[in-house]
Amino acid sequence: DVKVTQSSRYLVKRTGEKVFLECVQDMDHENMFWYRQDPGLGLRLIYFSYDVKMKEKGDIPEGYSVSREKKERFSLILESASTNQTSMYLCASRSTGNTNYGYTFGSGTRLTVV
Amino acid sequence: GDSVTQMEGPVTLSEEAFLTINCTYTATGYPSLFWYVQYPGEGLQLLLKATKADDKGSNKGFEATYRKETTSFHLEKGSVQVSDSAVYFCALKNQGGKLIFGQGTELSVKP
Repeated sequence: DVKVTQSSRYLVKRTGEKVFLECVQDMDHENMFWYRQDPGLGLRLIYFSYDVKMKEKGDIPEGYSVSREKKERFSLILESASTNQTSMYLCASRSTGNTNYGYTFGSGTRLTVV
Repeated sequence: GDSVTQMEGPVTLSEEAFLTINCTYTATGYPSLFWYVQYPGEGLQLLLKATKADDKGSNKGFEATYRKETTSFHLEKGSVQVSDSAVYFCALKNQGGKLIFGQGTELSVKP
């Protein structure tokens, strides 16, 4: 089974802190994605990466950045956390060769910014 | 732009009741369509998919048919169980390869 692992299930951070959310996948997938999930809004795409060292802005990139130094790892960075970034963050990956398939998601990181 | 609209939840049903969760979409071309399920405390799992008009996706007793004429992909199950309680997301993959989600519908099944 493809596995996408997010390092933390729950995080509590203070306003202004720099926050790193880590995501690792073990199936050599080229594409990786970061979404945030908020009630009534579904999932919204923050950033994605088609391959190592590549990154593209999604629909709501403001306040976030990403890093993809290795194929298996895709990090989401909140440069200066704010309370409106309190949310559930979901990482996903997909193989380029299987584009008609859905994505494989991690279990999510619930971030609270106080 | 491309979008997905789902019926609002929460939906509360008794065990063995019939389930329908409506999903309609707006997209150019011929998107692929998906239903994902999120059980409490977990990430999203792919439930079923359909890649072209009139395809029927099915899994675990759930079904959905890709209806291009009505731009719909409604999720159905003939007899729900308590273990089906979850949030269900309809999604499309558009021509650019982007996965676009509906807002999610929470289902609660009571014994």
